[in-house]
Amino acid sequence: DQQVKQNSPSLSVQEGRISILNCDYTNSMFDYFLWYKKYPAEGPTFLISISSIKDKNEDGRFTVFLNKSAKHLSLHIVPSQPGDSAVYFCAASLLTGANSKLTFGKGITLSVRP
Amino acid sequence: DAMVIQNPRYQVTQFGKPVTLSCSQTLNHNVMYWYQQKSSQAPKLLFHYYDKDFNNEADTPDNFQSRRPNTSFCFLDIRSPGLGDAAMYLCATKGWIGELFFGEGSRLTVL
Repeated sequence: DQQVKQNSPSLSVQEGRISILNCDYTNSMFDYFLWYKKYPAEGPTFLISISSIKDKNEDGRFTVFLNKSAKHLSLHIVPSQPGDSAVYFCAASLLTGANSKLTFGKGITLSVRP
Repeated sequence: DAMVIQNPRYQVTQFGKPVTLSCSQTLNHNVMYWYQQKSSQAPKLLFHYYDKDFNNEADTPDNFQSRRPNTSFCFLDIRSPGLGDAAMYLCATKGWIGELFFGEGSRLTVL
């Protein structure tokens, strides 16, 4: 049973426009959410995170929005650049506890067209 | 400089021939993880260590074992690889805010 779902496998966006990547989760106990970016033949790299006490976190071109009532979060990239083309994983965690673990979604492949 | 280093990057083995993948970290983090990722699937946690305390996921096959001789190193042993074990194996450590730092992965091919 997937607890973190990224239902769209891919997204194609024109350079300069906004990319919106969506993620849904089912476990209401999750209280910390992260986005990772992965290029081919490399490991995922941490991009941005948000705690459940917030509904928005911004870092440069990247903004993550959290809607707890809908169990939904989204990553906005604006403006999108060709170098943003990668697989993006959404992950969720229970922040408390030394043994907290991340649960990942399947990822979404973003292609930014020049 | 790479902070989580995995070796080898690519490993080819034969069906049933044991394989060991290694991971080292320069971050001095207490927690280390091994994930398995197959194509178009979410990374799947196999096990993790908090210091030397080993935590196995309930659905991790017995074929997969791990060792952590010290804080810096962690090994994944696959005792008898099957075709279904072909995947990318990702090692990660856990940072202060709960984010994971991943290595570049070891891609295993089973012939």
